Amino acid sequence: NAGVTQTPKFQVLKTGQSMTLQCAQDMNHEYMSWYRQDPGMGLRLIHYSVGAGITDQGEVPNGYNVSRSTTEDFPLRLLSAAPSQTSVYFCASSYFADSNEQFFGPGTRLTVL
Amino acid sequence: SQKIEQNSEALNIQEGKTATLTCNYTNYSPAYLQWYRQDPGRGPVFLLLIRENEKEKRKERLKVTFDTTLKQSLFHITASQPADSATYLCALDVHTGFQKLVFGTGTRLLVSP
Repeated sequence: NAGVTQTPKFQVLKTGQSMTLQCAQDMNHEYMSWYRQDPGMGLRLIHYSVGAGITDQGEVPNGYNVSRSTTEDFPLRLLSAAPSQTSVYFCASSYFADSNEQFFGPGTRLTVL
Repeated sequence: SQKIEQNSEALNIQEGKTATLTCNYTNYSPAYLQWYRQDPGRGPVFLLLIRENEKEKRKERLKVTFDTTLKQSLFHITASQPADSATYLCALDVHTGFQKLVFGTGTRLLVSP
């Protein structure tokens, strides 16, 4: 199993550009989520999904869109990139049942100029 | 306001000693708490989960305690090794029906030979 994969690993954008961060998992996990990690802030939940076709907002959803058309994939879209979105983004997945460990991807380091 | 606090200063210890990391929280009533390890440039990796009705959990050289009265979890690594050097994150489940983790900022552990 590849686990949770994320692409790209690094990305530089200009203010106002849009892009999609890809996330895929091959563990048949129902629950997937996106976090951003900033120095001194810890991991913060952006959006999450409890199954295909179902998504909801986390703590910091503004400026991001998600969709979940399949169990495996959970892309994160930046609509109009801003310097405040410079961060490291992590995708995670877990079995839908409550209180389960989350499996994290390797992260995408995004810089917005 | 709701807060999770982990010591932001690095913890330096000598090989073979026991490392103790602290996670304090306020204004949460988590059903369970998780600990993760994060190495530089990588995603967090799950270590242990402890439920609110459990006082202590062990896994090999790791031990976690959970005191819901003090609103505190302690994470111990016995017989520490240089390979244990990493950042350790605690995460509280603040769900209302499904998993929703809130992470602390992490404590960096440095184990010297």
